Amino acid sequence: AQSVTQLGSHVSVSEGALVLLRCNYSSSVPPYLFWYVQYPNQGLQLLLKYTSAATLVKGINGFEAEFKKSETSFHLTKPSAHMSDAAEYFCAVSDLKSSASKIIFGSGTRLSIRP
Amino acid sequence: DGGITQSPKYLFRKEGQNVTLSCEQNLNHDAMYWYRQDPGQGLRLIYYSQIVNDFQKGDIAEGYSVSREKKESFPLTVTSAQKNPTAFYLCASSDGLANKETQYFGPGTRLLVL
Repeated sequence: AQSVTQLGSHVSVSEGALVLLRCNYSSSVPPYLFWYVQYPNQGLQLLLKYTSAATLVKGINGFEAEFKKSETSFHLTKPSAHMSDAAEYFCAVSDLKSSASKIIFGSGTRLSIRP
Repeated sequence: DGGITQSPKYLFRKEGQNVTLSCEQNLNHDAMYWYRQDPGQGLRLIYYSQIVNDFQKGDIAEGYSVSREKKESFPLTVTSAQKNPTAFYLCASSDGLANKETQYFGPGTRLLVL
């Protein structure tokens, strides 16, 4: 069965520093992977998705993620953090065993930005 | 302006009461979903519907019910059988049945118990 593990429930970085949010997945077949962002008391917004094309995926707001099959990872990065990046981030994988578009979410990582 | 709307933003439930959360989409998406979010946890799937007049239980369907009478609407009822309903509820939709499809989310409804 597919699963997602996000390492670190809370990450804090200084403004202007590199952002690295870690995600490892488990899947018996090539997965489809997603990163979503959630601002307080709001719904989830898609940042980027991997669908077996290029392994380096660029998303909105300057974020990108690299699919590494050998490491079963899909870490999210941004070269320079901005105060507006403070939010909760969810990594997710498609449930390929399901006939529906079911997605399995990680438990989330809260990103804080220090001035 | 296409999107998903959820109402109300906040909802209060009394003991033994059923409450219904609204979810409407004008994206012409076939599939719709309901998730529950608790602090420090990811999203858990309650129910999903791939097509009008059809829906399936997700991972935590007990104490909840849904209907899908129209393509654009997928209301969720939290029944009195749900003993711990306090949570943030998110509705989502996706275009088509392929498992690679992106889900788009509404703004959420926060349910609180009086």
